[in-house]
Order: sequence, then C-alpha cells, then structure tokens
Amino acid sequence: GAVVSQHPSRVICKSGTSVKIECRSLDFQATTMFWYRQFPKQSLMLMATSNEGSKATYEQGVEKDKFLINHASLTLSTLTVTSAHPEDSSFYICSAKTGGEFYEQYFGPGTRLTVT
Amino acid sequence: GQNIDQPTEMTATEGAIVQINCTYQTSGFNGLFWYQQHAGEAPTFLSYNVLDGLEEKGRFSSFLSRSKGYSYLLLKELQMKDSASYLCAVTDSNYQLIWGAGTKLIIKP
Repeated sequence: GAVVSQHPSRVICKSGTSVKIECRSLDFQATTMFWYRQFPKQSLMLMATSNEGSKATYEQGVEKDKFLINHASLTLSTLTVTSAHPEDSSFYICSAKTGGEFYEQYFGPGTRLTVT
Repeated sequence: GQNIDQPTEMTATEGAIVQINCTYQTSGFNGLFWYQQHAGEAPTFLSYNVLDGLEEKGRFSSFLSRSKGYSYLLLKELQMKDSASYLCAVTDSNYQLIWGAGTKLIIKP
C-alpha cells in the first residue's frame, strides 16, 4: 500500500521558536495533502488542505500566518508552526491522497509536538 | 450542520463480537470510511462503503444504509490487539472528510 512518512516523529521546542514538520509520500504522487491536529482523547481536526503548487486552504479558526504550509512538490508538504506556544502542543498528522475524490487518505505516523 | 455520532466507549470480551454504530447527517454523501487508531499512532484504513450493504474483510465487516444515514463496523473473534479507537468518517458533497469523535474499544480477557 501507499506509504506516507513524517519527520520528526517527536519534537520538543521552546516557546517562541518555530518548528517545521515534513510529510512525504514515498511511493506515490500526492496531488492533495491534509494536515490535522489531534488533542488527547479527541478526534482529528482538519487544519488545512494543500494542493501541489497552490496555496493551502485553511479551515475556519486556523491561523494561516501561524501555521505555514508549503506543498512544493507532489511528494512533499511541510507545516511550520511559527512562534510556538504551549497551547500548540499537540499531535500533528498529515495525510495524502492521489487524484480522484473517492480515494482513501493515507496517513503519516504523526508528529508529537511539545512546546515548553 | 454536519454531524457524525458514534458511542464514546465500548467494552467487549476477547473472542466475542462487537458492533460499533455510526450515524451521520451531512450535506451530501460520497462514501463512509472506518479507521482504526491506536493510542499515539495515526489512523489506519479499515473499510470504505459507498453503496448500501455489507462489506466483509476478514474479521472486520462494515455495513451502510444511506437512507438511514447509518453505518456499523462489526469486529469478530476479538483479540486484545483490537483495543483501539475506531473512527467513522464521511465524505460530503464537497468531498471533504467529516470525522466522528471516535469510539474507544476496550477488550477484556
């Protein structure tokens, strides 16, 4: 099956710094990638949808200047959390899908971000 | 508004059968997914239903009734490793995935 990787798997950073998370589709070209965050014991919350070569579409309530998303190629999308604060600590998960609306999303293993 | 309901938590015994229900109210419907998520890990795909009826895949089966806005995931011959959260998600008319809050399944020996 399709494989999606995320890096890093865990990161601890100090308040005020920026953190970049990479999401890669390893064996397929992902026309669309999604970024989710998940708080403990809660479901996935979609943050933004990114299509290769175009600007990301952010969900309501998600600050685009704080969560910078770049989808520069068909196999790589990055999420940068700028000026991180403790409340940004969460589990961030990316997913990718090939073209076609009915295709399943393939999830990366997630990144645990802790801001101290 | 769009809404997906599933029980918060269920408990079952090893070797038994459990059914996890999901009801949905969405603007349009283009398919329903079930995902399994172990604690601290990303979701993994279990099933996809777009037509009414039962889809069987090994120990797991998923059922869909579009007229009732209802689906269930059936797990047979439960194993301890099946302890996880099970997420129901519906693709709406805009092909956006709407997620349920997940059902935490606890398996007891």
